[in-house]
Amino acid sequence: AQKVTQAQTEISVVEKEDVTLDCVYETRDTTYYLFWYKQPPSGELVFLIRRNSFDEQNEISGRYSWNFQKSTSSFNFTITASQVVDSAVYFCAPVYGGSQGNLIFGKGTKLSVKP
Amino acid sequence: EAGVAQSPRYKIIEKRQSVAFWCNPISGHATLYWYQQILGQGPKLLIQFQNNGVVDDSQLPKDRFSAERLKGVDSTLKIQPAKLEDSAVYLCASSPDRGRSPLHFGNGTRLTVT
Repeated sequence: AQKVTQAQTEISVVEKEDVTLDCVYETRDTTYYLFWYKQPPSGELVFLIRRNSFDEQNEISGRYSWNFQKSTSSFNFTITASQVVDSAVYFCAPVYGGSQGNLIFGKGTKLSVKP
Repeated sequence: EAGVAQSPRYKIIEKRQSVAFWCNPISGHATLYWYQQILGQGPKLLIQFQNNGVVDDSQLPKDRFSAERLKGVDSTLKIQPAKLEDSAVYLCASSPDRGRSPLHFGNGTRLTVT
């Protein structure tokens, strides 16, 4: 079965620390998309980043960066110089099935950034 | 651009009662999703619409849940009769296409079944 694993249930860091959130997925698809979403205490899911399976170039966007390794089926997300406002639950969400477009959410990692 | 609108924000009902949730997606978004998020878990897809047709309802408990999207715009999700385990946040999301574009989520409806 296709699924996604976020092994870290909760992470606590002090402001300005860097933090990496891990994501491992399973799929037999050759083409797929990978997303990260953030869910702050207010509850609304907010899109952060997207990666295509056929593009393994890792990028940096502001304080966010990601490391996509197709060979190990991992899609890790890093926040540099964390801030209190980064406190939220972070979900890794692959999209399988080509044009089907169904996000499969992991259980999420709760990040707490303390001042 | 107006976001995805959902109502009500909160609902408390007794078990065996019925309840309905409403969603208005972003204008022009053809794809609409309903997710169920139980406390402490990631969202689980219940049903996906493409315009006014159902694309995937494989995880929808059809004996008690129903959903429709009339005219390919607004959507309603109904539970009848509700069970205690239906207590969750019900999230509506929309997207201009299937798979490639990010989903835009509403604030959700928090349902408590007592």
